[in-house]
Amino acid sequence: SQTIHQWPATLVQPVGSPLSLECTVEGTSNPNLYWYRQAAGRGLQLLFYSIGIDQISSEVPQNLSASRPQDRQFILSSKKLLLSDSGFYLCAWSAPGQGDSNQPQHFGDGTRLSIL
Amino acid sequence: QKEVEQDPGPLSVPEGAIVSLNCTYSNSAFQYFMWYRQYSRKGPELLMYTYSSGNKEDGRFTAQVDKSSKYISLFIRDSQPSDSATYLCAMGTKYNFNKFYFGSGTKLNVKP
Repeated sequence: SQTIHQWPATLVQPVGSPLSLECTVEGTSNPNLYWYRQAAGRGLQLLFYSIGIDQISSEVPQNLSASRPQDRQFILSSKKLLLSDSGFYLCAWSAPGQGDSNQPQHFGDGTRLSIL
Repeated sequence: QKEVEQDPGPLSVPEGAIVSLNCTYSNSAFQYFMWYRQYSRKGPELLMYTYSSGNKEDGRFTAQVDKSSKYISLFIRDSQPSDSATYLCAMGTKYNFNKFYFGSGTKLNVKP
Protein backbone atom coordinates (compact mmCIF):
# COMPACT_ATOMS: atom_id res chain seq x y z
CA SER A 1 0.00 0.00 0.00
CA GLN A 2 1.01 3.59 -0.51
CA THR A 3 2.09 5.87 2.31
CA ILE A 4 3.08 9.49 2.48
CA HIS A 5 5.40 11.00 5.06
CA GLN A 6 5.86 14.63 5.95
CA TRP A 7 8.26 16.18 8.41
CA PRO A 8 8.63 17.92 10.66
CA ALA A 9 5.15 17.86 12.20
CA THR A 10 5.65 21.21 13.89
CA LEU A 11 8.11 24.00 13.19
CA VAL A 12 8.69 27.40 14.76
CA GLN A 13 10.90 29.74 12.77
CA PRO A 14 11.92 33.40 13.05
CA VAL A 15 11.03 35.88 10.34
CA GLY A 16 13.69 35.98 7.66
CA SER A 17 14.97 32.45 8.27
CA PRO A 18 15.04 29.77 5.54
CA LEU A 19 12.61 26.88 5.29
CA SER A 20 12.75 23.32 4.07
CA LEU A 21 9.80 20.94 4.40
CA GLU A 22 10.12 17.44 3.04
CA CYS A 23 7.59 14.95 1.77
CA THR A 24 8.16 11.40 0.55
CA VAL A 25 5.80 8.82 -0.89
CA GLU A 26 6.25 5.06 -0.71
CA GLY A 27 4.61 2.23 -2.59
CA THR A 28 3.96 3.94 -5.91
CA SER A 29 5.93 5.16 -8.91
CA ASN A 30 5.71 8.44 -10.81
CA PRO A 31 3.08 9.96 -8.54
CA ASN A 32 1.72 13.44 -9.02
CA LEU A 33 2.79 15.49 -6.00
CA TYR A 34 1.25 18.59 -4.45
CA TRP A 35 1.91 21.20 -1.78
CA TYR A 36 -1.05 22.93 -0.16
CA ARG A 37 -1.44 25.49 2.57
CA GLN A 38 -4.48 25.34 4.79
CA ALA A 39 -5.60 28.44 6.64
CA ALA A 40 -8.27 28.19 9.33
CA GLY A 41 -11.75 28.41 7.82
CA ARG A 42 -10.40 29.08 4.33
CA GLY A 43 -9.92 25.68 2.78
CA LEU A 44 -6.87 24.38 0.96
CA GLN A 45 -4.78 26.59 -1.26
CA LEU A 46 -2.74 24.77 -3.91
CA LEU A 47 0.83 26.09 -3.93
CA PHE A 48 2.71 23.74 -6.28
CA TYR A 49 2.18 20.54 -8.16
CA SER A 50 4.55 18.23 -9.98
CA ILE A 51 3.91 15.54 -12.58
CA GLY A 52 7.52 14.35 -12.69
CA ILE A 53 11.10 15.02 -11.66
CA ASP A 54 11.97 18.67 -12.29
CA GLN A 55 8.45 19.31 -13.64
CA ILE A 56 6.89 21.72 -11.19
CA SER A 57 4.09 24.20 -11.65
CA SER A 58 3.44 27.11 -9.33
CA GLU A 59 -0.13 28.12 -8.64
CA VAL A 60 0.42 31.12 -6.42
CA PRO A 61 3.33 33.56 -6.77
CA GLN A 62 5.01 34.07 -3.41
CA ASN A 63 8.35 33.63 -1.67
CA LEU A 64 8.07 29.85 -1.61
CA SER A 65 9.56 27.39 -4.07
CA ALA A 66 9.34 23.65 -4.61
CA SER A 67 11.71 21.03 -5.90
CA ARG A 68 11.45 17.37 -6.76
CA PRO A 69 14.94 15.89 -6.69
CA GLN A 70 13.70 12.29 -6.81
CA ASP A 71 10.57 10.60 -8.16
CA ARG A 72 8.88 10.30 -4.77
CA GLN A 73 10.37 13.26 -2.94
CA PHE A 74 8.91 16.75 -2.87
CA ILE A 75 10.46 19.68 -1.00
CA LEU A 76 8.98 23.04 -0.13
CA SER A 77 11.50 25.81 0.49
CA SER A 78 11.89 29.46 1.23
CA LYS A 79 14.98 31.62 1.45
CA LYS A 80 13.43 34.16 3.83
CA LEU A 81 10.20 33.47 5.70
CA LEU A 82 7.54 36.11 6.18
CA LEU A 83 4.99 36.34 8.99
CA SER A 84 2.31 35.59 6.41
CA ASP A 85 3.90 32.20 5.70
CA SER A 86 2.52 30.81 8.94
CA GLY A 87 0.04 28.02 8.39
CA PHE A 88 -0.56 24.32 8.02
CA TYR A 89 1.31 22.86 5.05
CA LEU A 90 0.09 19.67 3.48
CA CYS A 91 1.74 17.42 0.95
CA ALA A 92 -0.40 15.14 -1.21
CA TRP A 93 0.02 12.57 -3.95
CA SER A 94 -2.19 11.11 -6.64
CA ALA A 95 -1.75 8.40 -9.21
CA PRO A 96 -1.13 9.72 -12.73
CA GLY A 97 -4.39 10.32 -14.57
CA GLN A 98 -5.39 7.72 -17.14
CA GLY A 99 -7.16 9.06 -20.21
CA ASP A 100 -9.69 11.56 -18.97
CA SER A 101 -9.91 9.96 -15.55
CA ASN A 102 -9.03 12.21 -12.68
CA GLN A 103 -7.47 10.61 -9.61
CA PRO A 104 -8.15 11.57 -5.99
CA GLN A 105 -5.41 13.07 -3.86
CA HIS A 106 -4.09 11.52 -0.67
CA PHE A 107 -2.63 13.72 2.03
CA GLY A 108 0.13 13.54 4.58
CA ASP A 109 -0.37 14.69 8.15
CA GLY A 110 1.02 18.13 7.52
CA THR A 111 3.50 20.54 9.06
CA ARG A 112 2.26 23.29 11.34
CA LEU A 113 4.54 26.27 10.69
CA SER A 114 4.63 29.23 13.04
CA ILE A 115 6.66 32.31 12.17
CA LEU A 116 7.72 34.54 15.04
CA GLN B 1 -18.31 33.92 -5.80
CA LYS B 2 -16.26 30.98 -4.55
CA GLU B 3 -16.05 27.91 -6.77
CA VAL B 4 -17.16 25.70 -3.88
CA GLU B 5 -19.29 26.74 -0.92
CA GLN B 6 -19.55 24.79 2.31
CA ASP B 7 -21.21 25.74 5.57
CA PRO B 8 -18.47 25.88 8.23
CA GLY B 9 -20.77 24.74 11.05
CA PRO B 10 -20.18 23.62 13.70
CA LEU B 11 -22.83 20.97 13.36
CA SER B 12 -23.62 19.22 16.63
CA VAL B 13 -25.66 16.00 16.69
CA PRO B 14 -26.34 13.23 19.21
CA GLU B 15 -24.75 9.83 18.76
CA GLY B 16 -26.74 7.62 16.40
CA ALA B 17 -28.16 10.52 14.37
CA ILE B 18 -28.08 10.72 10.60
CA VAL B 19 -25.78 13.52 9.51
CA SER B 20 -26.12 15.43 6.26
CA LEU B 21 -23.18 17.49 5.02
CA ASN B 22 -23.46 19.57 1.87
CA CYS B 23 -21.54 21.59 -0.69
CA THR B 24 -22.68 23.74 -3.56
CA TYR B 25 -20.61 24.72 -6.55
CA SER B 26 -20.78 27.04 -9.51
CA ASN B 27 -18.67 25.36 -12.20
CA SER B 28 -20.75 23.02 -14.35
CA ALA B 29 -17.54 21.38 -15.64
CA PHE B 30 -16.94 19.62 -12.31
CA GLN B 31 -17.26 15.88 -12.80
CA TYR B 32 -15.17 14.40 -9.99
CA PHE B 33 -16.34 14.79 -6.42
CA MET B 34 -14.61 13.84 -3.21
CA TRP B 35 -15.26 13.94 0.50
CA TYR B 36 -12.44 14.08 3.02
CA ARG B 37 -12.46 13.74 6.79
CA GLN B 38 -9.90 15.74 8.74
CA TYR B 39 -9.20 15.24 12.40
CA SER B 40 -7.62 18.06 14.38
CA ARG B 41 -3.93 18.56 13.54
CA LYS B 42 -4.01 15.80 10.91
CA GLY B 43 -4.16 15.73 7.14
CA PRO B 44 -7.42 15.13 5.24
CA GLU B 45 -8.33 11.48 4.73
CA LEU B 46 -10.21 10.46 1.59
CA LEU B 47 -13.66 9.05 2.40
CA MET B 48 -15.54 9.00 -0.88
CA TYR B 49 -14.70 9.56 -4.53
CA THR B 50 -17.45 9.76 -7.13
CA TYR B 51 -17.68 10.55 -10.80
CA SER B 52 -20.58 12.47 -12.35
CA SER B 53 -24.06 12.18 -10.84
CA GLY B 54 -25.67 9.59 -8.64
CA ASN B 55 -25.10 7.91 -5.31
CA LYS B 56 -22.25 5.92 -3.85
CA GLU B 57 -22.39 4.00 -0.61
CA ASP B 58 -19.55 2.75 1.59
CA GLY B 59 -20.52 1.37 4.96
CA ARG B 60 -22.20 4.12 6.98
CA PHE B 61 -21.32 6.77 4.38
CA THR B 62 -23.33 7.72 1.30
CA ALA B 63 -22.22 10.34 -1.20
CA GLN B 64 -24.80 11.96 -3.44
CA VAL B 65 -24.21 14.18 -6.46
CA ASP B 66 -26.91 16.30 -8.09
CA LYS B 67 -25.26 17.98 -11.07
CA SER B 68 -28.47 19.69 -12.18
CA SER B 69 -28.58 21.57 -8.89
CA LYS B 70 -24.79 21.78 -8.51
CA TYR B 71 -25.11 20.23 -5.08
CA ILE B 72 -23.35 17.35 -3.38
CA SER B 73 -24.04 15.67 -0.07
CA LEU B 74 -22.43 13.25 2.33
CA PHE B 75 -24.71 11.28 4.64
CA ILE B 76 -23.41 9.54 7.74
CA ARG B 77 -25.72 6.95 9.28
CA ASP B 78 -25.55 5.90 12.92
CA SER B 79 -23.06 8.66 13.67
CA GLN B 80 -20.40 7.95 16.28
CA PRO B 81 -18.29 10.24 18.48
CA SER B 82 -15.32 9.09 16.40
CA ASP B 83 -16.95 10.80 13.40
CA SER B 84 -16.32 14.16 15.07
CA ALA B 85 -14.03 15.93 12.63
CA THR B 86 -14.03 18.51 9.88
CA TYR B 87 -15.41 17.29 6.56
CA LEU B 88 -14.09 18.79 3.33
CA CYS B 89 -15.61 18.46 -0.09
CA ALA B 90 -13.46 18.71 -3.21
CA MET B 91 -14.16 18.79 -6.92
CA GLY B 92 -12.30 18.58 -10.18
CA THR B 93 -12.74 18.58 -13.93
CA LYS B 94 -11.32 16.30 -16.60
CA TYR B 95 -9.60 19.29 -18.18
CA ASN B 96 -7.05 19.76 -15.41
CA PHE B 97 -6.02 16.58 -13.67
CA ASN B 98 -4.05 18.41 -11.05
CA LYS B 99 -6.41 21.06 -9.82
CA PHE B 100 -9.07 20.30 -7.24
CA TYR B 101 -11.29 22.90 -5.66
CA PHE B 102 -11.89 22.45 -1.96
CA GLY B 103 -14.63 23.65 0.31
CA SER B 104 -13.54 25.29 3.55
CA GLY B 105 -14.90 22.38 5.60
CA THR B 106 -17.80 21.69 7.98
CA LYS B 107 -16.94 20.92 11.58
CA LEU B 108 -19.02 18.04 12.96
CA ASN B 109 -19.39 17.20 16.63
CA VAL B 110 -21.14 13.95 17.56
CA LYS B 111 -22.09 13.96 21.23
CA PRO B 112 -22.13 10.65 23.15
